[in-house]
Amino acid sequence: AQSVSQHNHHVILSEAASLELGCNYSYGGTVNLFWYVQYPGQHLQLLLKYFSGDPLVKGIKGFEAEFIKSKFSFNLRKPSVQWSDTAEYFCAVLDNTDKLIFGTGTRLQVFP
Amino acid sequence: NAGVTQTPKFRILKIGQSMTLQCTQDMNHNYMYWYRQDPGMGLKLIYYSVGAGITDKGEVPNGYNVSRSTTEDFPLRLELAAPSQTSVYFCASIKGLAGYNEQFFGPGTRLTVL
Repeated sequence: AQSVSQHNHHVILSEAASLELGCNYSYGGTVNLFWYVQYPGQHLQLLLKYFSGDPLVKGIKGFEAEFIKSKFSFNLRKPSVQWSDTAEYFCAVLDNTDKLIFGTGTRLQVFP
Repeated sequence: NAGVTQTPKFRILKIGQSMTLQCTQDMNHNYMYWYRQDPGMGLKLIYYSVGAGITDKGEVPNGYNVSRSTTEDFPLRLELAAPSQTSVYFCASIKGLAGYNEQFFGPGTRLTVL
């Protein structure tokens, strides 16, 4: 069965620090990849997505992610985090069985 | 458009009781999903549907049932509630895989089984 791994469970950063959250998936075929953010007490919101084309994808709020097919990875990055980025981040994979599978999430805490 | 709506927002059940979590979308989306979210576990797919009359199991379907009689509605049924079903439940929808844009999530239903 397909799986999504997020190895960073809890990340603590100071404002202006750079961020990289890891995401690896197991499916070897064509995939669509997503990063979602969940702010405290809210539902999930889409940050960015990859379907095809340029493997470097830019999303909202200054986030970007790079799809590296050979590594089955889709890591999320932001050059300079803000306190308002404190949230939980989920990587997800949509495969050709129509299932959208989520990773376990990474909790990001940003301190001023 | 209201997007994806879920009712109720909160519910407390006793062990063995049953209930239906409602999910409705007004965007004419074909694909709908039910997830449960537990702390540190991410979102687990319970059931999903690719269109009216078509449903399929996700990762954790045991103890749940669904139906999809219309495009708009995708209710999730708990027949015999158990404490292990205490969770936050999210419904989501997308238009379809072709021309996929975004998956829309409902606000969630927080369920406690005592």
